[in-house]
Amino acid sequence: ETGVTQSPTHLIKTRGQQVTLRCSSQSGHNTVSWYQQALGQGPQFIFQYYREEENGRGNFPPRFSGLQFPNYSSELNVNALELDDSALYLCASSLGQGGDEQYFGPGTRLTVT
Amino acid sequence: GEDVEQSLFLSVREGDSSVINCTYTDSSSTYLYWYKQEPGAGLQLLTYIFSNMDMKQDQRLTVLLNKKDKHLSLRIADTQTGDSAIYFCAEKNYNQGGKLIFGQGTELSVKP
Repeated sequence: ETGVTQSPTHLIKTRGQQVTLRCSSQSGHNTVSWYQQALGQGPQFIFQYYREEENGRGNFPPRFSGLQFPNYSSELNVNALELDDSALYLCASSLGQGGDEQYFGPGTRLTVT
Repeated sequence: GEDVEQSLFLSVREGDSSVINCTYTDSSSTYLYWYKQEPGAGLQLLTYIFSNMDMKQDQRLTVLLNKKDKHLSLRIADTQTGDSAIYFCAEKNYNQGGKLIFGQGTELSVKP
């Protein structure tokens, strides 16, 4: 157990809708990263938040946005859902911007129909 | 550019050693990681190695790094059926903060 939790576990949405996924970091960790893992692929970096500020972003459109709260929990928001957004969304917490050890949560499985 | 490649499948017998290989392209990589993913689960950090090291051993796991060839391997000694999973190699470059670049994963199948 890493101490990183995510909710919900599974989610089904319709194309065009909006979704919010949540992540609670491991105690003491001030950095959270979000990844998208399509079926059969490795995780792809979406963005990272450090002390409530975005600290790097991967090749994802602006309809993917995030927030980090003072208690270091985090949200991933996706607007105007597309079928290709169906994936496992993983968050990882670490200590510091370049934290050596990133610990992953169990993920949220999003299905867009 | 950034690219991490792994072979997709590996099958071994219980008790044998498993060697999972990975190549990467970014010579500025500072840390290299091995993660394990079981069906329907998140990623479990197994071990990682700093780029100025050649080898790291942790119980049944041995990581070898060849910086010249940009080649990383994970050896699992005395492989057990519980080791069956997908193994991901990932690299990190400090110049890009905490971004991890993952390979496609190697599915390890352990037969009794």
